[in-house]
Amino acid sequence: GENVEQHPSTLSVQEGDSAVIKCTYSDSASNYFPWYKQELGKRPQLIIDIRSNVGEKKDQRIAVTLNKTAKHFSLHITETQPEDSAVYFCAASRGDSSYKLIFGSGTRLLVRP
Amino acid sequence: DAEITQSPRHKITETGRQVTLACHQTWNHNNMFWYRQDLGHGLRLIHYSYGVQDTNKGEVSDGYSVSRSNTEDLPLTLESAASSQTSVYFCASRAQGANTEAFFGQGTRLTVV
Repeated sequence: GENVEQHPSTLSVQEGDSAVIKCTYSDSASNYFPWYKQELGKRPQLIIDIRSNVGEKKDQRIAVTLNKTAKHFSLHITETQPEDSAVYFCAASRGDSSYKLIFGSGTRLLVRP
Repeated sequence: DAEITQSPRHKITETGRQVTLACHQTWNHNNMFWYRQDLGHGLRLIHYSYGVQDTNKGEVSDGYSVSRSNTEDLPLTLESAASSQTSVYFCASRAQGANTEAFFGQGTRLTVV
């Protein structure tokens, strides 16, 4: 069945360093890959997404890369700041009239000042 | 502004009772979803709907049911609450289209005692 694996489950970095979170999906028909950020006690919110016909997408300090052959995609955060501390979720969706999002298990990122 | 709201925000119920969690969105989205969030498991899909009168089971549907009588609402019912259903529940909605953002409600923290 459809499955998304996410690693690591926790990540601690020094302020200013980079953070990388990796996900692997099982459904080869997946073509949309969003990343959500969830701050403590809040709802998940979209921070960046990528479509299957794009290999990389950047938005300021955040970038996402996709390797469709290997069924891997990653979130890269550069110059981390304390406000980046949160739980990050990757997800995958087919989009061919199947709009459900399958989420990874989440990564708790701690940015140490 | 369009939004998605859940009620109640917090609920404590006893084992064996029937409980209904409400989800209401004003975007006129066809696609609505219920997830539960547990530590170490991320967001797991319970049920989803792609339109009025359409409902589908997700990966953890046992003990839950949904109904979709209009576009705006997707109530989640726990037929006979169990302690294993203690969790945070999130409703989400998403427009048609392969690359559309999913918007989440504020969440409902349910405790079954």
